[in-house]
Amino acid sequence: AQSVTQLGSHVSVSEGALVLLRCNYSSSVPPYLFWYVQYPNQGLQLLLKYTTGATLVKGINGFEAEFKKSETSFHLTKPSAHMSDAAEYFCAVSDQGAQKLVFGQGTRLTINP
Amino acid sequence: DTGVSQNPRHKITKRGQNVTFRCDPISEHNRLYWYRQTLGQGPEFLTYFQNEAQLEKSRLLSDRFSAERPKGSFSTLEIQRTEQGDSAMYLCASSLAGTGHIQYFGAGTRLSVL
Repeated sequence: AQSVTQLGSHVSVSEGALVLLRCNYSSSVPPYLFWYVQYPNQGLQLLLKYTTGATLVKGINGFEAEFKKSETSFHLTKPSAHMSDAAEYFCAVSDQGAQKLVFGQGTRLTINP
Repeated sequence: DTGVSQNPRHKITKRGQNVTFRCDPISEHNRLYWYRQTLGQGPEFLTYFQNEAQLEKSRLLSDRFSAERPKGSFSTLEIQRTEQGDSAMYLCASSLAGTGHIQYFGAGTRLSVL
């Protein structure tokens, strides 16, 4: 069965600092990988996805993630945090043949001024 | 494209009552998904439709839960004889087959069972 582990339920960084949110997955087949962001009282918004091809994926709002098969990781980064980045971030995985997403528990990102 | 719409946004009910939620997907999307999200957790898959056919149901979907998508457009999720443990955010998502599994989410319906 697939699973996703997000290390750190709460991450706090200063405005302008590097953002690093960690995601490790387990999957018996090459997965599709996603990062979603959730602002309070809103649905989930897709930040970026990896399906095939280039392992460094760029998304919206300056975020990017790198698929590392050997480490079964898909960590999310942003070089310089902005106050508007404060939100809950979810990593998700799906099998290529499956339709459902399996989500991690989420990481709440706080930005300090 | 108005996005995925869910109604109501909030529902408060008493234990034992039945509730029904509605999801209107993005108009051309043929796949529709329901997830449940409890406080401090990631969303958990409940069920999914391709057109009007319900193709997969999670073990989380007990007999008290039923979902329909009668004409392959909007979907309803009904919970009968609600329990306090049903309190959660119910999220709907839709996607278009062949677009790389990208699911677009609605804002959710928050259910509180008293």
